[in-house]
Amino acid sequence: DTGVSQDPRHKITKRGQNVTFRCDPISEHNRLYWYRQTLGQGPEFLTYFQNEAQLEKSRLLSDRFSAERPKGSFSTLEIQRTEQGDSAMYLCASSYGNSYGYTFGSGTRLTVV
Amino acid sequence: QKEVEQDPGPLSVPEGAIVSLNCTYSNSAFQYFMWYRQYSRKGPELLMYTYSSGNKEDGRFTAQVDKSSKYISLFIRDSQPSDSATYLCAMIDTNAGKSTFGDGTTLTVKP
Repeated sequence: DTGVSQDPRHKITKRGQNVTFRCDPISEHNRLYWYRQTLGQGPEFLTYFQNEAQLEKSRLLSDRFSAERPKGSFSTLEIQRTEQGDSAMYLCASSYGNSYGYTFGSGTRLTVV
Repeated sequence: QKEVEQDPGPLSVPEGAIVSLNCTYSNSAFQYFMWYRQYSRKGPELLMYTYSSGNKEDGRFTAQVDKSSKYISLFIRDSQPSDSATYLCAMIDTNAGKSTFGDGTTLTVKP
């Protein structure tokens, strides 16, 4: 297993369009996290899954954001009706059980024009 | 007021210097403390992970936690140009199940 994979690496979209990102975690990891990072800031929590169950979603996350993890494997993050303020790096991370150190992917950089 | 505050930097040091990176926090429920290194346009990489107060050493890196003062530090000895990156502290309240990150300190080690 080569680590956490995210696709695409870069996405440029027009305001108002929908986008979907994919994350493939390390196969034996049961926890999967989505974070958002803007320039000069630390990663900001969006949501996390344990297996297929979404256990928490940030209160900062609008209804335009939705995430899924069918069958507890890969995950998708969808942003509907994108806004310029959605431009950021979207990071996926995974961990195994009580191992609280995360393995991050390289991120998907979203630019909304 | 953020739950985790990190010295903003940027920090520039000569090769071989000892580097000290610091974070303070306000949430007493934080129990696990991590340091990540992030190179430009890459995801963070876990460097150190500690639970209790005290020191933990791994090669040139030492993580220090003082729960009574709500203060953590990362020391880098004999710093190298390859250590140039942004360093992020992170903390977990196990009741919450997720990490809260500082905003990072950007370090440049000059040859």
